[in-house]
Amino acid sequence: RKEVEQDPGPFNVPEGATVAFNCTYSNSASQSFFWYRQDCRKEPKLLMSVYSSGNEDGRFTAQLNRASQYISLLIRDSKLSDSATYLCVEGSARQLTFGSGTQLTVLP
Amino acid sequence: DAGITQSPRYKITETGRQVTLMCHQTWSHSYMFWYRQDLGHGLRLIYYSAAADITDKGEVPDGYVVSRSKTENFPLTLESATRSQTSVYFCASSESRQGYEQYFGPGTRLTVT
Repeated sequence: RKEVEQDPGPFNVPEGATVAFNCTYSNSASQSFFWYRQDCRKEPKLLMSVYSSGNEDGRFTAQLNRASQYISLLIRDSKLSDSATYLCVEGSARQLTFGSGTQLTVLP
Repeated sequence: DAGITQSPRYKITETGRQVTLMCHQTWSHSYMFWYRQDLGHGLRLIYYSAAADITDKGEVPDGYVVSRSKTENFPLTLESATRSQTSVYFCASSESRQGYEQYFGPGTRLTVT
């Protein structure tokens, strides 16, 4: 069983749409959570950390539900430049564990 | 601000050859990591290092060797390359503990023929 599971997509949405991604993790001892963004053939880049209280960064909102062991990312007012793969990541004391990613394409 | 760099960016080698991938960071981060990324598997940790001269295995260490004689460098060596090691390799660094946010280099695309 994968430790971090994501719907691979692809999600194809029109510009301006709101889109949400979820992921689940299996390690109840996880201490930290992140969303990374990866553009085609490039390195993953940190998009935002995820806190228990939920956090927002501009058009992006991340939520953590420890009881159900899932993490979500909401993107409002999608831009063409949001097209990428979004990686859900959980961190334990030992390492980060990455999901396989959800592919998003924002269409004009 | 160079951040974290990797070299070479692209490499083609033959089965059985030794290959070394270089990683250099200018942030003085304590932790450094090597991952490979393959379709269907996502990012998998090969080795990591908590400080100079301290290294440990990750999820998929077989066939790889690392060293860390200086804080800023963390080379990854494939002792005898196999076709299954064809992949994109990413180096990353982190300021503190392993489970903290990591910053990635641009990657090395390795093909083993």
